[in-house]
Amino acid sequence: GQQVMQIPQYQHVQEGEDFTTYCNSSTTLSNIQWYKQRPGGHPVFLIQLVKSGEVKKQKRLTFQFGEAKKNSSLHITATQTTDVGTYFCASSQDSNYQLIWGAGTKLIIKP
Amino acid sequence: KAGVTQTPRYLIKTRGQQVTLSCSPISGHRSVSWYQQTPGQGLQFLFEYFSETQRNKGNFPGRFSGRQFSNSRSEMNVSTLELGDSALYLCASSLDMASNQPQHFGDGTRLSIL
Repeated sequence: GQQVMQIPQYQHVQEGEDFTTYCNSSTTLSNIQWYKQRPGGHPVFLIQLVKSGEVKKQKRLTFQFGEAKKNSSLHITATQTTDVGTYFCASSQDSNYQLIWGAGTKLIIKP
Repeated sequence: KAGVTQTPRYLIKTRGQQVTLSCSPISGHRSVSWYQQTPGQGLQFLFEYFSETQRNKGNFPGRFSGRQFSNSRSEMNVSTLELGDSALYLCASSLDMASNQPQHFGDGTRLSIL
C-alpha cells in the first residue's frame, strides 16, 4: 500500500535558524496535508496542497508540493519558540480516502 | 463552534479489562476517525466511520472496535486490555474524508494500563 516517508525524525535548531521537514512517496499523491502538534497537544491542520508544483506560504512557513506529486516539504524561516512541536504530513489514498501519515518531524529549539 | 470533544481525558485500567472512549465531532461533521498515538510510533490509524458505517479500518486486532451513532458521535471500545494498549487515543472529525477535507482533532484520551 501507499507509504509516506518523513525525514528527519528530529531536528535541533538554534532559535532564529531555519527548519525543513520532507515527505516522500514512491507513488503519486493526490494531495498532501500538513499538521502541527504542540507538546501535550493534538495535531492541528495547517494546510493542504493538491496541485503539482504548488507552493503556499503562511507567514514564515513555506509549503511545497513536488512537480511529480511524490514529495512535499515544509520550511520554516527564522524559527521561534512558538514553532516547537512535531510536524506531520498526511496524504489520502485514492482507493479508500484513508489518510496515510508520515512519522512526524520533531522540531526542538536548543536552549 | 465547539470543537471535537473526547471523554474521558484520562483513564487508568488494568490488564484484561475493557474500555469505551467517546468522541463528539464538530457539528455538521459526518466523518469520525480514531488514531492511536504512542511515543515514537506516530499516528496509527484505527478506523473511520461515516454515516454510521465503518468505511476504513487500520491494522489493529479485533479487540479494537467502534461504532458511530445517528448524530455522528462515535465510541471506540477496546476489550481484553494489554499493557501495550497504553497510549493517547485521538479522535478526528471532518466534513467528509472522501473529499479530502482536513481533520479536526480532539484533545485525546490518555489510557494507561497497569
